[in-house]
Amino acid sequence: QQQVKQSPQSLIVQKGGISIINCAYENTAFDYFPWYQQFPGKGPALLIAIRPDVSEKKEGRFTISFNKSAKQFSLHIMDSQPGDSATYFCAASGGHDMRFGAGTRLTVKP
Amino acid sequence: DVKVTQSSRYLVKRTGEKVFLECVQDMDHENMFWYRQDPGLGLRLIYFSYDVKMKEKGDIPEGYSVSREKKERFSLILESASTNQTSMYLCASSLTRTGSSYEQYFGPGTRLTVT
Repeated sequence: QQQVKQSPQSLIVQKGGISIINCAYENTAFDYFPWYQQFPGKGPALLIAIRPDVSEKKEGRFTISFNKSAKQFSLHIMDSQPGDSATYFCAASGGHDMRFGAGTRLTVKP
Repeated sequence: DVKVTQSSRYLVKRTGEKVFLECVQDMDHENMFWYRQDPGLGLRLIYFSYDVKMKEKGDIPEGYSVSREKKERFSLILESASTNQTSMYLCASSLTRTGSSYEQYFGPGTRLTVT
């Protein structure tokens, strides 16, 4: 059973557009929600993360929106660039337990 | 910079062989993890270790074992490799969760093919 559900599986966006990836979790004990970015041939790397005491966190072109009551969070990439083309994983963590979504392959067309 | 290294980027083994995947981290992290990554399934935890000689099963431990004799090194062992263990294996490490120490740092992965 997948404790973190991520959608869409793949996403194609034009350069300059907004990319939106959504995740939903089940376990209310989770208290840390990171997004990882993975380029081909590389391991995932932390992109941005949020705790449940805030509803939004922004770092440059990347924003996490968090809805605690709905148990949902999303990643918004503003002004998407071809260099953003990668696979994105959401995750939810409590203690040692970190659960990952299935991943979204983002392609940004020039 | 945290560095997590894995002994091989690509590995091809035969069914029934014993396979060792090695992971080393250089930041004195207490916690180390082994995941496998498969398309459409994300990352699934095989085992993790929160201290030397300590280990905990993750979601999919069957067919795998681990060893942590030194703090910086965490090994994944496939006792008798099978074709359904063909996958990308990722090692990660993290500090114990005090304060804001939550991030897991990943190695580049080992793509294992079992024929």
